[in-house]
Amino acid sequence: NAGVTQTPKFQVLKTGQSMTLQCAQDMNHNSMYWYRQDPGMGLRLIYYSASEGTTDKGEVPNGYNVSRLNKREFSLRLESAAPSQTSVYFCASSRSGTVGYTFGSGTRLTVV
Amino acid sequence: DQQVKQNSPSLSVQEGRISILNCDYTNSMFDYFLWYKKYPAEGPTFLISISSIKDKNEDGRFTVFLNKSAKHLSLHIVPSQPGDSAVYFCAAHVYNTNAGKSTFGDGTTLTVKP
Repeated sequence: NAGVTQTPKFQVLKTGQSMTLQCAQDMNHNSMYWYRQDPGMGLRLIYYSASEGTTDKGEVPNGYNVSRLNKREFSLRLESAAPSQTSVYFCASSRSGTVGYTFGSGTRLTVV
Repeated sequence: DQQVKQNSPSLSVQEGRISILNCDYTNSMFDYFLWYKKYPAEGPTFLISISSIKDKNEDGRFTVFLNKSAKHLSLHIVPSQPGDSAVYFCAAHVYNTNAGKSTFGDGTTLTVKP
């Protein structure tokens, strides 16, 4: 039972490069989320998706785009990476009507 | 303005003793409060939650207490074990039947010494 799978686990980008972080869950959850965690700080919500075909902005959406490709997959795209986007990115999912999330193991992104 | 605050970055306790982790919040609209546990290089793992209409929830060694008037919650771990050493995040959740959203504190690093 894989749960939430994130790829890649590590990535180094140059300023201005683009990339897509992939997330997939196999628990048939409706809701999916992208958070970022900076050193010494908590998780901040970037975007979320209540269901397939819908996405909404969270607390820190600037510089990011998302796609809810189907019920399983929710990707996060950085169009033009900046050093301020250096962070650990976590994808999470939850079943509708529940309050706890299942998180992936994270993607550690460094922008130089 | 940070809506969820964990004022203690770290806590060290002896194995077998009680660990008390604290969390304060500012928004009265939160419906649930949760605690997550995080080991290095892993994602957070959901530990325990409490509804805003309750003042206590217990699950084995873990108990969460909620004081709504003080906008304060705490997680008690009794007895503490070395395997409990991790970062603990407090989260406050706005419930929605479609996709509720959680706001996280900055975390408290718990070290349980053998």
